Amino acid sequence: KQEVTQIPAALSVPEGENLVLNCSFTDSAIYNLQWFRQDPGKGLTSLLLIQSSQREQTSGRLNASLDKSSGRSTLYIAASQPGDSATYLCAVGKGAQKLVFGQGTRLTINP
Amino acid sequence: DTGVSQNPRHKITKRGQNVTFRCDPISEHNRLYWYRQTLGQGPEFLTYFQNEAQLEKSRLLSDRFSAERPKGSFSTLEIQRTEQGDSAMYLCASKPKPGTSVYNEQFFGPGTRLTVL
Repeated sequence: KQEVTQIPAALSVPEGENLVLNCSFTDSAIYNLQWFRQDPGKGLTSLLLIQSSQREQTSGRLNASLDKSSGRSTLYIAASQPGDSATYLCAVGKGAQKLVFGQGTRLTINP
Repeated sequence: DTGVSQNPRHKITKRGQNVTFRCDPISEHNRLYWYRQTLGQGPEFLTYFQNEAQLEKSRLLSDRFSAERPKGSFSTLEIQRTEQGDSAMYLCASKPKPGTSVYNEQFFGPGTRLTVL
């Protein structure tokens, strides 16, 4: 059974810092890995999708990496801003169907 | 708006009542998913449709839960005889057919927040 873990559960940093969020998964036979952002009480916004054959994806100040052999992914956020405050969720695609989610990292950027 | 839509956005009900939620996926997305998210946790998979066929159901989907997608477009999720433990955010997502888009990702709706009193 695939299990996804995100560490830390919460992170608070001052504005302008670069930061890394971590995601680990137990079964390396994944289809893809997706990073999402969730604002309080809202749905999920997709940030980056990495196919199983890829090593990383970039979008603006965000960079996500994938190391299937070690069962790890990281989300790097450069030059953090208060508007980046949200919960970040990592999800692993099993086959072409469902996503298995981690518990999320609650990020607070302090002005 | 061409995103995934869900209705209602909020539902408050008394224990024992039946509730039904609706999800309208992105047009021409043939795959549709339901997830449940409780406070402080990541979403958990409930069920998956490809067109009108329900192809997978989680063990979380007890006999009180039923989902349909009768014409392969919108979907409904019904919970019968609601319990306080059913209180959660119910999220719907859709995904395009394989090979129709480079964006092989799931797109989520805003969710329906259910509170059972």
